[in-house]
Amino acid sequence: ETGVTQSPTHLIKTRGQQVTLRCSSQSGHNTVSWYQQALGQGPQFIFQYYREEENGRGNFPPRFSGLQFPNYSSELNVNALELDDSALYLCASSFGDGANVLTFGAGSRLTVL
Amino acid sequence: AQSVTQPDIHITVSEGASLELRCNYSYGATPYLFWYVQSPGQGLQLLLKYFSGDTLVQGIKGFEAEFKRSQSSFNLRKPSVHWSDAAEYFCAARANQAGTALTFGKGTTLSVSS
Repeated sequence: ETGVTQSPTHLIKTRGQQVTLRCSSQSGHNTVSWYQQALGQGPQFIFQYYREEENGRGNFPPRFSGLQFPNYSSELNVNALELDDSALYLCASSFGDGANVLTFGAGSRLTVL
Repeated sequence: AQSVTQPDIHITVSEGASLELRCNYSYGATPYLFWYVQSPGQGLQLLLKYFSGDTLVQGIKGFEAEFKRSQSSFNLRKPSVHWSDAAEYFCAARANQAGTALTFGKGTTLSVSS
């Protein structure tokens, strides 16, 4: 059974640019959640996708958007990057809308200059 | 507002000594509770979870946690720490309803001295 894989692992962008981060779910999982982890902080919930629909969102502006594909992989898109968007972005997959156990990927480290 | 507090930012423990990491939560009803560990360059790994029932929960790598409703706490313990336990530890909680997300504490960094 493969775990959650994320790409890219590291990337550098400049302020105002756009970025797309990708996540492949663990086999058999149909729900994907995204979290932002700033340096020295705990992860903060961005949003969750279940069966290709967003079904939960944290306190993040609309320039944070996502997609879930029929194979349950997912993308996180961030437009108009700001310096404060620099963080580790974690993807987690699970089975079912109310799943209690999430499997996390290793994350994508985004640096905005 | 729902929140999770980890009062200790950084703890140093001697190898072989016991460990206790503190976690307090603020929720309307008892949430589901979790402890995760994060090593550099790694994702979050689930150590243990509490949903209901026995208030002492056993996890992986020799960790355990005790749920205390009266103190709104879910402290993580290990009887004898190994150097490989050095990492960042996160307590997290989730309301008992579908579609809700995990709320994490800010984490406790554990250093192990020889």
